[in-house]
Parts: sequence; structure tokens; C-alpha cells
Amino acid sequence: GNSVTQMEGPVTLSEEAFLTINCTYTATGYPSLFWYVQYPGEGLQLLLKATKADDKGSNKGFEATYRKETTSFHLEKGSVQVSDSAVYFCALISGNQFYFGTGTSLTVIP
Amino acid sequence: EAGVTQFPSHSVIEKGQTVTLRCDPISGHDNLYWYRRVMGKEIKFLLHFVKESKQDESGMPNNRFLAERTGGTYSTLKVQPAELEDSGVYFCASSQVRSGGKGEAFFGQGTRLTVV
Repeated sequence: GNSVTQMEGPVTLSEEAFLTINCTYTATGYPSLFWYVQYPGEGLQLLLKATKADDKGSNKGFEATYRKETTSFHLEKGSVQVSDSAVYFCALISGNQFYFGTGTSLTVIP
Repeated sequence: EAGVTQFPSHSVIEKGQTVTLRCDPISGHDNLYWYRRVMGKEIKFLLHFVKESKQDESGMPNNRFLAERTGGTYSTLKVQPAELEDSGVYFCASSQVRSGGKGEAFFGQGTRLTVV
């Protein structure tokens, strides 16, 4: 079956620290992979995506590389800001259905 | 262009009552999805409409949940009667094409349902 396993939170970092949120997946075939972000009081927004192996998605300083050999799609950012505080969800799409991880809450303190 | 909108943003009801959630997708989007996130757990698929037809409702937890999409525009999700375990955040999403695995869905801000 399809599933996404995501790093447990919450995560608290100081401003300008390095961020990694781990995500691994199980899927039939070769799904597209996504990171969604939910800022306080807002809906889920697409942060970045990758559609095939070795693709790197990037946006707003965040990056994630589709690693087929390790079935992973870890999210990274070199220097986080207070405005990055949010809940981050790793997801894959198979057929027309999204499968999400549990979400990782990130708080960045000044 | 307006995004996906959901009403209400928050609902608190007593066990045994009925609640109806509404989702207005992005205009022109044929695909409409409902998801639910129970506290601390993953976001889980409930069902998928293509226009007014239910394409996949395998995620609906039980027959207390009824989803409709009359006319292929907005959708409602009714919970009757509500139970404590129905508490969570209900997300709606829409997309334009049956992407076959490549596309992006646009999400609403969610309805936080609390059953007391």
C-alpha cells in the first residue's frame, strides 16, 4: 500500500539554524512527492514537489530531493526564519489520492 | 482568483447533533476531495468527487457521514449524528485535471470540528 512516514515533532529552532525534516514513503510505482505547509490560521499550501527520481524541488529556500533508492524526500533549509514557523506535511499522490504524513510542527524563535 | 473556501472555519457541537460542512472549490475544478486530520495524526482521505459523481469514497469512516456535490460545484459533508471521535480538522481540496499522479491539489483552510 501507500504511506508516508514523517519525522515526529514538534521542532523548535533558533533563527538562522539549519532545518531537516525527514520523510520516507512506501508506494506502488513511482509517485509524485510533495511538501505542503500550513501557516497558522491558513490552509495547506504547496511548498514544493518532485515528480521523478533525483528531481529536486525547491521554493522559498526550502529544498527536497526525490531519492528512489532510499524512498525518501527529506525537507531542508539552510537558515530558517521566524516566518517559517508552521506545520509541514510530506505527501505523495497515487492515482488521484494524496497520502499524507502526520505533519511536523516547526517553531522558530528569534 | 478565489481559492478553495470552507465554511464554517470552526464548529463546536454536542454529541448526537448534526453538522454540515461546506466547501467551495476553485471555479472550473472538476475534482473535489475531502480529507480529515484527527489531532496529532496524519491527514486522511475521505472521498473524491469528479464533478457531481463520487469517484472514490473508500475513506468515509461510516454511514454517519454523507457527502454531496449537487451540480458539480460546491460540496457539503454532513455528519449525523456526530460522535466524539469525529472531532478534527476537515480539509477540502480541488484540482483541475485527473492528473494520474502528477498534479497539484489546492486546499482550503479547513473546518475545525469539535464534538463535546
